[in-house]
Amino acid sequence: ETGVTQSPTHLIKTRGQQVTLRCSSQSGHNTVSWYQQALGQGPQFIFQYYREEENGRGNFPPRFSGLQFPNYSSELNVNALELDDSALYLCASSLGGGGTGELFFGEGSRLTVL
Amino acid sequence: GQSLEQPSEVTAVEGAIVQINCTYQTSGFYGLSWYQQHDGGAPTFLSYNGLDGLEETGRFSSFLSRSDSYGYLLLQELQMKDSASYFCAVRGEGFNKFYFGSGTKLNVKP
Repeated sequence: ETGVTQSPTHLIKTRGQQVTLRCSSQSGHNTVSWYQQALGQGPQFIFQYYREEENGRGNFPPRFSGLQFPNYSSELNVNALELDDSALYLCASSLGGGGTGELFFGEGSRLTVL
Repeated sequence: GQSLEQPSEVTAVEGAIVQINCTYQTSGFYGLSWYQQHDGGAPTFLSYNGLDGLEETGRFSSFLSRSDSYGYLLLQELQMKDSASYFCAVRGEGFNKFYFGSGTKLNVKP
């Protein structure tokens, strides 16, 4: 069973740039969620994709966008980067439709915006 | 909106029992999960309560009272490796959408 993998693990960008983060979900999982975790805080829900459609969004501006591909892998795109976007971005996969409520997280992509 | 409250930090000694409380206010509630996160690591799933009552998984137990909007995680026979941050997370409407608290940092001392 393949776990959730994310890339890149670390990256540095400057304010105003754009970034794309990638996630491969666990084998058999059709739902991917993205979270932002600032230092010392809990993960904050950005959005979720189920079978290639956005299936819910948290309190994040439209410059945060995403995609899910037919193999259920996913991308998170952030445009016009701001200093406050510096955080750990976590991808979590799960099997949609209920179940045990368990999310499987990747190790995250740590983004630093200068 | 979603609001979750949990203590910011708890300290206990090895072998002891510790309880981490979580109260929540949400616009929709479908269950409460608990996650553990070591420094620099990914959150890992510990327990889920969809209904009121106690769920036990080894040394960890979790409790939910929906009428009180309250839950807790109970860790028994504490070990040094239990030093980590613990997050409660409310399951909102839809497929496995979770809203996390700010976390409780547990320090286990010898």
